[in-house]
Amino acid sequence: EPEVTQTPSHQVTQMGQEVILRCVPISNHLYFYWYRQILGQKVEFLVSFYNNEISEKSEIFDDQFSVERPDGSNFTLKIRSTKLEDSAMYFCASSLTSEWSNEQFFGPGTRLTVL
Amino acid sequence: KQEVTQIPAALSVPEGENLVLNCSFTDSAIYNLQWFRQDPGKGLTSLLLIQSSQREQTSGRLNASLDKSSGRSTLYIAASQPGDSATYLCAVRNSGDKLTFGTGTRLAVRP
Repeated sequence: EPEVTQTPSHQVTQMGQEVILRCVPISNHLYFYWYRQILGQKVEFLVSFYNNEISEKSEIFDDQFSVERPDGSNFTLKIRSTKLEDSAMYFCASSLTSEWSNEQFFGPGTRLTVL
Repeated sequence: KQEVTQIPAALSVPEGENLVLNCSFTDSAIYNLQWFRQDPGKGLTSLLLIQSSQREQTSGRLNASLDKSSGRSTLYIAASQPGDSATYLCAVRNSGDKLTFGTGTRLAVRP
């Protein structure tokens, strides 16, 4: 069964460093998303991406964050200068369409630890 | 702003019991509602998706219902098993792309 994959599973970085989290969405899906979950808190929406453009973003997704689809299979989230409060589990998701019936499928997550 | 609440926060039951998890949301103008399962330190597995026009969906021992007008959904798990132990999340989609998640119900099924 097709699934969303994410690498790495765990990333440890120093405050102020840049990190890139990688995702491979389900191959025929057209819409891609990033969510995050700080330990003990709710899963929060960060950004959605379609046709090489951001279609929606949350207040969390400030200038320190960027997303890119560098080739036909990968979808990346970059954090330019990490802060302690960026420590969280980051989930990538994809969906076939953006129709109201669409189901989002999530990857296993990348645990980001900022020291 | 959509707020999603799940009750109870934690639940422990003996194996074989039928159980109900509750989800409520403040803005009833939703497109759909998804129930997910999350194992510790792991990703989110989609269990069921209910469209706004539907009242329930079934998958195996799981049945999810939706009462959009009252802002409620329930997830019914029949004949619970220890392997059902996990955190169950509900998430709603209003206009736009994002899902708004609840805080989850942590379920433990005792052998």
